[in-house]
Amino acid sequence: QPVVTQSSSASASLGSSVKLTCTLDSGHSSYIIAWHQQPPGKAPRYLMKLEGSGSYSKGSGVPDRFSGSSSGTDRYLTISNLQFEDEADYYCQTWESNTRVFGGGTKLTVL
Amino acid sequence: EVQLVESGGGLVQPGGSLRLSCAASGFTFSTYWMNWVRQAPGKGLEWVAHINRDGSENYYVDSLKGRFTISRDNAKNSLYLHMNSLRAEDTAVYYCARTPAFGGIDYWGQGTLVTVSS
Repeated sequence: QPVVTQSSSASASLGSSVKLTCTLDSGHSSYIIAWHQQPPGKAPRYLMKLEGSGSYSKGSGVPDRFSGSSSGTDRYLTISNLQFEDEADYYCQTWESNTRVFGGGTKLTVL
Repeated sequence: EVQLVESGGGLVQPGGSLRLSCAASGFTFSTYWMNWVRQAPGKGLEWVAHINRDGSENYYVDSLKGRFTISRDNAKNSLYLHMNSLRAEDTAVYYCARTPAFGGIDYWGQGTLVTVSS
């Protein structure tokens, strides 16, 4: 089954941009992933679907500040003009027909 | 508006059983695969199980096979998770989540807390 890996933490200043990375194992390099955001104490929220080509499709109400891109086995979530409400855990997810897999999550701190 | 509302969580003793429910609204429930995902305190998300549109296929994370059973009632727009032989390590918030056509997850419920303790 696929494996996805994320850095445990990231930080960036208010108003700046940050790029979070999700890495697929080499045997699943073409897989589509999804990004989810989980603010402290809240349920996760779907942000976007991201393909290996870099094409992405966002969920309802997701601000324009959120975008996706891809390179090889890496899938990126870029957040521009960081706001304090962006401080959250961010999870990537992938799947096969009979399983779903989450990365360990990246805790984003807005300074 | 898509809504997923979980219920049924609570405190249960080790070895006990519990049934979680998820009430779905705002979409045609019978046309979507559905999932349960859990999150232990201070930990990340763990996929638990998913079920196909008519309930004839279901899949589980390997570590839970045989103890948990996912089911659905399309007439009631409801998803269920039957949990048996509960252990302390099953303590978590359990989320109901919808699978869209592309295969990931696109909507989440607010979660229900299950605490396994004597």
